[in-house]
Amino acid sequence: DTGVSQNPRHKITKRGQNVTFRCDPISEHNRLYWYRQTLGQGPEFLTYFQNEAQLEKSRLLSDRFSAERPKGSFSTLEIQRTEQGDSAMYLCASARGNEQFFGPGTRLTVL
Amino acid sequence: AQSVTQPDIHITVSEGASLELRCNYSYGATPYLFWYVQSPGQGLQLLLKYFSGDTLVQGIKGFEAEFKRSQSSFNLRKPSVHWSDAAEYFCAVGSGGGADGLTFGKGTHLIIQP
Repeated sequence: DTGVSQNPRHKITKRGQNVTFRCDPISEHNRLYWYRQTLGQGPEFLTYFQNEAQLEKSRLLSDRFSAERPKGSFSTLEIQRTEQGDSAMYLCASARGNEQFFGPGTRLTVL
Repeated sequence: AQSVTQPDIHITVSEGASLELRCNYSYGATPYLFWYVQSPGQGLQLLLKYFSGDTLVQGIKGFEAEFKRSQSSFNLRKPSVHWSDAAEYFCAVGSGGGADGLTFGKGTHLIIQP
């Protein structure tokens, strides 16, 4: 059983650097979601894809954030010019029906 | 805009005792409601979901939840907790037939004491 995988699991970067995270969904899941979770909070929705089309973006997704799902399979989330406030756990989920399956997350620390 | 409130940040329960975690939602139409559990270092795992029909839904690990439209609530219950139930519990509401992004509450941290 291959669930949702995310790489890297941890990323430490310096303020101002760009970072990219990857999410590999469960195969045949046509929807893919990105969330952000900060300490003591629940996950906050960022964006989601149906196949390769990005259908919704949260106001939390500033211009420094970009997400892609080029062939409707894996997805990448890039953060440009990172800020300390970007430090968080970035969660990916995939779905075929109306149940989302979450990956383990990528923990980003911006120094 | 939809929102979820989990009034209890922490709850401590003795092992073997019953549990109820509270969740209140705000949503204009028929909500799609979920409970997830997150253990340290683990991803979010779905415990149960409500879309329509019977307002008492059964989930995994012996959990159940009851949807009460009049109270805008979807409380999670378990008759007898085990030490392994210690974790963070999140209530979430969805729209768009359950396809849109979920709105989560801030979570309730469950502590099990011997």
